[in-house]
Amino acid sequence: AQSVTQPDIHITVSEGASLELRCNYSYGATPYLFWYVQSPGQGLQLLLKYFSGDTLVQGIKGFEAEFKRSQSSFNLRKPSVHWSDAAEYFCAVGLSGGGADGLTFGKGTHLIIQP
Amino acid sequence: DAGVIQSPRHEVTEMGQEVTLRCKPISGHNSLFWYRQTMMRGLELLIYFNNNVPIDDSGMPEDRFSAKMPNASFSTLKIQPSEPRDSAVYFCASSFVPSEQYFGPGTRLTVT
Repeated sequence: AQSVTQPDIHITVSEGASLELRCNYSYGATPYLFWYVQSPGQGLQLLLKYFSGDTLVQGIKGFEAEFKRSQSSFNLRKPSVHWSDAAEYFCAVGLSGGGADGLTFGKGTHLIIQP
Repeated sequence: DAGVIQSPRHEVTEMGQEVTLRCKPISGHNSLFWYRQTMMRGLELLIYFNNNVPIDDSGMPEDRFSAKMPNASFSTLKIQPSEPRDSAVYFCASSFVPSEQYFGPGTRLTVT
């Protein structure tokens, strides 16, 4: 069965600084990978996804992620964070494009932005 | 589009009572998913449907949980009888295969 590990439960970053959130997955084949963001009391919003092709994918809100097969990683990055980026971030893996079966989520990383 | 709609947004009930959570997927989507989010276990897939047919319910915790999708625009998740350990946020998501899932705002369930 597939699994997702987000090693950092909390991360604190100063506003304007760069950000990297780590995600490692375990799956026998090439997975479909996703990053979602959850603001307090809200549902999950898709930031970006990787299906195939270019290993560096661009998402919404200035986020990007890089798929590294050799490291089984899909880390999320942003060059300069804004206070509004404070939220919970979830990495997820699917067996398909994410639409035909369920996703397996990591436990999430709580991002705190310092002024 | 209004997105995935869930009701109620908050539900407080007493142990032993029946609870029904409702979901209206995005129009035109053909897959629907129910997830549960708790502090201890994170986000877990409970069950999902393709074209209104349940495909995988292996995540349903026990027989007290049941889900139905009578048509393409409506699904329910029922807990009978409810227990305090069922307290969680329940999310519904929908997709148009093979694209990504879109999540609803969730229902926060508290069982006392």
